[in-house]
Amino acid sequence: AQTVTQSQPEMSVQEAETVTLSCTYDTSESDYYLFWYKQPPSRQMILVIRQEAYKQQNATENRFSVNFQKAAKSFSLKISDSQLGDAAMYFCAYGRAGTASKLTFGTGTRLQVTL
Amino acid sequence: DTAVSQTPKYLVTQMGNDKSIKCEQNLGHDTMYWYKQDSKKFLKIMFSYNNKELIINETVPNRFSPKSPDKAHLNLHINSLELGDSAVYFCASSQSPYEQYFGPGTRLTVT
Repeated sequence: AQTVTQSQPEMSVQEAETVTLSCTYDTSESDYYLFWYKQPPSRQMILVIRQEAYKQQNATENRFSVNFQKAAKSFSLKISDSQLGDAAMYFCAYGRAGTASKLTFGTGTRLQVTL
Repeated sequence: DTAVSQTPKYLVTQMGNDKSIKCEQNLGHDTMYWYKQDSKKFLKIMFSYNNKELIINETVPNRFSPKSPDKAHLNLHINSLELGDSAVYFCASSQSPYEQYFGPGTRLTVT
């Protein structure tokens, strides 16, 4: 069974600084997808970024980028130029390639952004 | 233009009651899901439907019964509600195997 581990329950970053959230996963599959979702206090789950396992290039979306290390089964999220609106729970998720594949989530990292 | 909508957003009910949560997506996706988020924020899959067919049925009490009348709708009916059913329930949809889009969640409180 696939597992996703987020070892940082809470992180804090100052506005305009950079922060990296860690995620490791365990799978025997070779074809899969990894995601970072953000959940602000509104509780809406918002997709931040997606990475296909077959792609070597790390995904980037504006201020958000990932460091995908397939051999190490590591998938960290870097947030640059942090903003107050980035404060939220961040969930790492694994999805196996294929029809109707469920997402397996980590336990989340709560990110605080301070002035 | 809400992509994935759920009703109601909040549901407070007593133990033993039966309740339903409705979900609709207008994204044209083939697959819909129900997830449960517990008080510690942990998200776990409950069910998945692909083109109205049940694909995933995790270890969920049979008091929970999903129904998909068509590709755009997936409802969740819960019988004989228990205190432990209190949680936030999320509906999601995807065009497999890509990212899933989530509804706003339904906070269920059983008293």
